[in-house]
Amino acid sequence: EDQVTQSPEALRLQEGESSSLNCSYTVSGLRGLFWYRQDPGKGPEFLFTLYSAGEEKEKERLKATLTKKESFLHITAPKPEDSATYLCAVQGYSTLTFGKGTMLLVSP
Amino acid sequence: GAVVSQHPSWVICKSGTSVKIECRSLDFQATTMFWYRQFPKQSLMLMATSNEGSKATYEQGVEKDKFLINHASLTLSTLTVTSAHPEDSSFYICSARDLGLADTLGEQFFGPGTRLTVL
Repeated sequence: EDQVTQSPEALRLQEGESSSLNCSYTVSGLRGLFWYRQDPGKGPEFLFTLYSAGEEKEKERLKATLTKKESFLHITAPKPEDSATYLCAVQGYSTLTFGKGTMLLVSP
Repeated sequence: GAVVSQHPSWVICKSGTSVKIECRSLDFQATTMFWYRQFPKQSLMLMATSNEGSKATYEQGVEKDKFLINHASLTLSTLTVTSAHPEDSSFYICSARDLGLADTLGEQFFGPGTRLTVL
């Protein structure tokens, strides 16, 4: 059974304070690892897809990296508008399995 | 591009009634759509996979007679919660794959969700 564990569950940062979110996974036949952002009461918003270990992708203040066992979402100099829940999901042979997410709060 | 809409965005109903939720891919075609349920502070749980023109595939533990799914076209899937009860109250989210994005196999685009409250 595919599993995704995200840590920490919640993270509070000051504006400009860089940090990383972790996504550990076990999957049979990784076809892709996805990061999504979810605002309260909204559907997930796609951020990145990573397909193989060593791959990195960047978008503004976010950078996602992938190893064979985990992925990191690095947030550089975050702003209050980066506050959201960040979801990690892995696509195995059959379904997309989500983690519970990391709730990020960035204070001004 | 790759916009998915849901209607309604929220609904309140009485126990025992049925509620229909629509999921539409606005600017792309999707042979496969997915229905998820999300409880507060929990991850998205896949309920079923909806394939255009065929029966939906339900995940283990999801009652197919209670959650009726119809995928009549390449841009529309509906989820009907029949005889709803308070425990069905949740956030229902649909997603779809864009057929045209061959290099993004597995990537799903999500709708904004529907908040269902059953009194």
